[in-house]
Parts: sequence; structure tokens; C-alpha cells
Amino acid sequence: GAVVSQHPSWVICKSGTSVKIECRSLDFQATTMFWYRQFPKKSLMLMATSNEGSKATYEQGVEKDKFLINHASLTLSTLTVTSAHPEDSSFYICSAHSGAPYEQYFGPGTRLTVT
Amino acid sequence: DAKTTQPTSMDCAEGRAANLPCNHSTISGNEYVYWYRQIHSQGPQYIIHGLKNNETNEMASLIITEDRKSSTLILPHATLRDTAVYYCIVRVGDYGQNFVFGPGTRLSVLP
Repeated sequence: GAVVSQHPSWVICKSGTSVKIECRSLDFQATTMFWYRQFPKKSLMLMATSNEGSKATYEQGVEKDKFLINHASLTLSTLTVTSAHPEDSSFYICSAHSGAPYEQYFGPGTRLTVT
Repeated sequence: DAKTTQPTSMDCAEGRAANLPCNHSTISGNEYVYWYRQIHSQGPQYIIHGLKNNETNEMASLIITEDRKSSTLILPHATLRDTAVYYCIVRVGDYGQNFVFGPGTRLSVLP
């Protein structure tokens, strides 16, 4: 199957700093990318949907000014957690969709720890 | 999308078949049954999906009841590496929408 990568795979940052997570589709063009968040022992929760070249659509309760999403190209979407706090510590997962039926693939996830 | 119910956890002996049930009594005619799994600290991995016929691939088999209100994912010869959380998701065909994940079933394959 197609490959989606995330970078970094894990990151530790200090409270108040910002951290950027990249999601790349390696062998296909992703018209849509999704960002999920997963707290320990919980299921994945959708944070936002991004389409290339347009503003992201955020789920209710997700602060768009805190979680900045940029989908500047068909192979790259970035999630920036601004002014991170310990409660932002979580596992962040992206998925990418090519636009063709049944071509949606998940990335390996990024573990964020805010100290 | 229709809601699904799955057991919270299951155990299976290594080498035996793992049968994971899923109830989706409110499924609509155009909704598919998808199965994903998530091994600890990894992203979800696609396993299989089907509409109404039974499906089989190199990973698993999917058995859907005739009334489509429930299904079973079968891992024919479970290994320790199959220990994971298994998610049954019911949704329309994949034309670019997100997936909605429930709590899933935590499968533990025991030696």
C-alpha cells in the first residue's frame, strides 16, 4: 500500500514553545489530509481536515489558532502546536487521501510530550 | 455513519483463530464495514472492508451476516504480533471522508 510518513516520530518540548509536525504522502498526491489526536488508552479523535491550497476545517472544540494546519502542497501537510502546554501531550496521527476511492492511508504517528 | 459495538477486550491463544465480532444493527444499505487495527504507538493499519459479501485477503477474512447487522473479523492463525486494538468502522464508501473511530477491541494473543 501507499506510504505516509510523519516527522518527527517523537518530540519533547517545553511549555510555551511551538512544535511543527510534518505529514508526507511519499508515493501519491494527497488532495485531502486529516489530523487526529489520541490520548493514552483512548481512541483516535479527528481534529481537522485539510485540502490542498485551502484553509483547514476544524472539528468542534479544536482551537484553530492553537493548532495551525498548512497543506501547501499535494504531498505535505503540517500541524503546528503553538504555545504548547502539558495537556497537549498526545499522539498525533495524520492520514492522506488521494481522491480516488479507497485510497486513504494513515501515518505512523508523532508522540508529543510537553514538559 | 452507523454506530458499532465491539467487546472491550479478547484473548486468543497463539496459532489459533481469532474471531472478533462487531454489531452494526443500524447500518444503511450503502455503508461498508471496515476493519483497522492499531498496534501500540503506531498509526492505524487497514485490514479489510466489505459491503455484503464475505471477503478474504492475506491478512484476514470478513464475514458479514445476511442481514448485515453484524460481522466477524477472522485472523486465521493469530501470532503475538497480532496483539493490537481492532476497530470496526461502518461508513459509506471511501471518497475522501475521515474515519470515525470507536473504542475498538483490545486483542491479546497469548503464547
